[in-house]
Amino acid sequence: AAGVIQSPRHLIKEKRETATLKCYPIPRHDTVYWYQQGPGQDPQFLISFYEKMQSDKGSIPDRFSAQQFSDYHSELNMSSLELGDSALYFCASSSEKGRSSPLHFGNGTRLTVT
Amino acid sequence: KQEVTQIPAALSVPEGENLVLNCSFTDSAIYNLQWFRQDPGKGLTSLLLIQSSQREQTSGRLNASLDKSSGRSTLYIAASQPGDSATYLCAALNTGTASKLTFGTGTRLQVTL
Repeated sequence: AAGVIQSPRHLIKEKRETATLKCYPIPRHDTVYWYQQGPGQDPQFLISFYEKMQSDKGSIPDRFSAQQFSDYHSELNMSSLELGDSALYFCASSSEKGRSSPLHFGNGTRLTVT
Repeated sequence: KQEVTQIPAALSVPEGENLVLNCSFTDSAIYNLQWFRQDPGKGLTSLLLIQSSQREQTSGRLNASLDKSSGRSTLYIAASQPGDSATYLCAALNTGTASKLTFGTGTRLQVTL
């Protein structure tokens, strides 16, 4: 079965650079989520989209932005990167905003800021 | 604000034992509660989802229960195997938010031979 695809798997950037993470949800899923997971921490919700519109916003810094495109893939754009942005970034997708079906997570993008 | 707590933080058991992982949440206004498994450096795999109207869900050797009134959920793993070694996270989806899951800090399980 198709899963959530994230790219790239690993990304190394320097401070103050920008990064773009991509997510391709499971076909026919209408909701996409972005989570950030620091070392030894639980995943923290960043932002979600439902039918290509922003649905909910969590602890996403102003330096970050995200969007969902007409083909339902989503991109997380991160600017002015800081050392503290180093983390695993997960994308997940579901149907019906996850209210009756589970979230399916991708394998994540590991971002390292040096 | 929803807070989700998992106890214990880490657990080591010999192969074959049955075990229970605990999850508690402060806000009972939830759509559902989900249990996930995470292997080191990997993504999260959904194990079980319990709707707020349900009491339990079963999948193979896994059984999850939900007591909304007391703000508790448990994940029961029968006849544990070394392949069950991973971090287990519970997460609550609140009715007050459109789509935000609140995760617990996880229980790191090691099943030894």
